[in-house]
Amino acid sequence: SQQGEEDPQALSIQEGENATMNCSYKTSINNLQWYRQNSGRGLVHLILIRSNEREKHSGRLRVTLDTSKKSSSLLITASRAADTASYFCATVPMDSSYKLIFGSGTRLLVRP
Amino acid sequence: DAGVIQSPRHEVTEMGQEVTLRCKPISGHNSLFWYRQTMMRGLELLIYFNNNVPIDDSGMPEDRFSAKMPNASFSTLKIQPSEPRDSAVYFCASSSQAGGPHEQFFGPGTRLTVL
Repeated sequence: SQQGEEDPQALSIQEGENATMNCSYKTSINNLQWYRQNSGRGLVHLILIRSNEREKHSGRLRVTLDTSKKSSSLLITASRAADTASYFCATVPMDSSYKLIFGSGTRLLVRP
Repeated sequence: DAGVIQSPRHEVTEMGQEVTLRCKPISGHNSLFWYRQTMMRGLELLIYFNNNVPIDDSGMPEDRFSAKMPNASFSTLKIQPSEPRDSAVYFCASSSQAGGPHEQFFGPGTRLTVL
């Protein structure tokens, strides 16, 4: 079963705009990770945020984590057509050292 | 590093046939995962190996599915007999779990079609 639910399911923006995707989860977590999947390809890890962290940056990516609300957001700034992909959040539950539970994903389309 | 290698990339087979999917994890990684991705159910963990030992196979759908990891550089996922509902993309991922749960590195996947 999927722990994470992403919102929106699909997002279409113009190149140069910012894209924000949200993820909600149900149980206490060790960490939360975001992955990208291009069409027909495997998943690529983007960023990991631990349960004791509130915000993390990596290049044009900004991730926030609110453990009280059991939610996270991924912000992609100054989007590019190459950012077109599906984005998944994945949680590692507190009672597991390995298990990644994936959300349903957000399909992002960046129009040139 | 070549990353996680999976073969074949595509497999089309008829119902009832045996299917074997292969995976070579990243050298030095001690954890290996098999996932299945479908439109209906998303990404599901099938089985997790740590140091070549199956730790969690609770996601394996039924007895038709089996997985092995004879050594640190090779794993197989076998479906026998295959059924049309097994059609999906199967991913292998590897990770180094030293010091706690880390990112997983995914292979390109095997797209399985069972007719």
